[in-house]
Amino acid sequence: GAGVSQSPRYKVAKRGQDVALRCDPISGHVSLFWYQQALGQGPEFLTYFQNEAQLDKSGLPSDRFFAERPEGSVSTLKIQRTQQEDSAVYLCASSFHIAYEQYFGPGTRLTVT
Amino acid sequence: GESVGLHLPTLSVQEGDNSIINCAYSNSASDYFIWYKQESGKGPQFIIDIRSNMDKRQGQRVTVLLNKTVKHLSLQIAATQPGDSAVYFCAENGRDKIIFGKGTRLHILP
Repeated sequence: GAGVSQSPRYKVAKRGQDVALRCDPISGHVSLFWYQQALGQGPEFLTYFQNEAQLDKSGLPSDRFFAERPEGSVSTLKIQRTQQEDSAVYLCASSFHIAYEQYFGPGTRLTVT
Repeated sequence: GESVGLHLPTLSVQEGDNSIINCAYSNSASDYFIWYKQESGKGPQFIIDIRSNMDKRQGQRVTVLLNKTVKHLSLQIAATQPGDSAVYFCAENGRDKIIFGKGTRLHILP
């Protein structure tokens, strides 16, 4: 079946622009996670949803980062006034339940120039 | 604070040989560990997991060993193949997040 999909796969933004990254989780998966992966590093947790509820946003690096999942399915990660340090791969993962295996999408590579 | 790290950033292994990737963790309360494989341009892919009540778990060509005394994990890949080339992460499954280490890049030599 279809896995987690993310769009766009690549995004180049000028510093100061806003960007929106989309995640389509596996159908029926209740839990959805966003991670940020800097070059040469492991992914770092950003935020977690259970259905439409954002239960943990402790990893969001600043108030420029905002995530939503209004209908409990597709999620969008928005970054306002992008900075160069925001350049990274943004990974989305979903799981049937918080305690189950997380399935990762291919990521969106964001480059801020 | 919590941290999961790796001993070596890169590992080169002859095709057909066994690979051993090591990982240290610092949180003695951690009770669930996962190994992930990440190929270029892809997201991490689950390989194998182990809970703290076990010291060894085997999968297909992979074995994970857990030594809680020294807080050390290892991933063993038998008969390494070109398709095993990737970055491997050990990770701790936290309450509502996965905490990843920095990763080891595995190079397969022909």
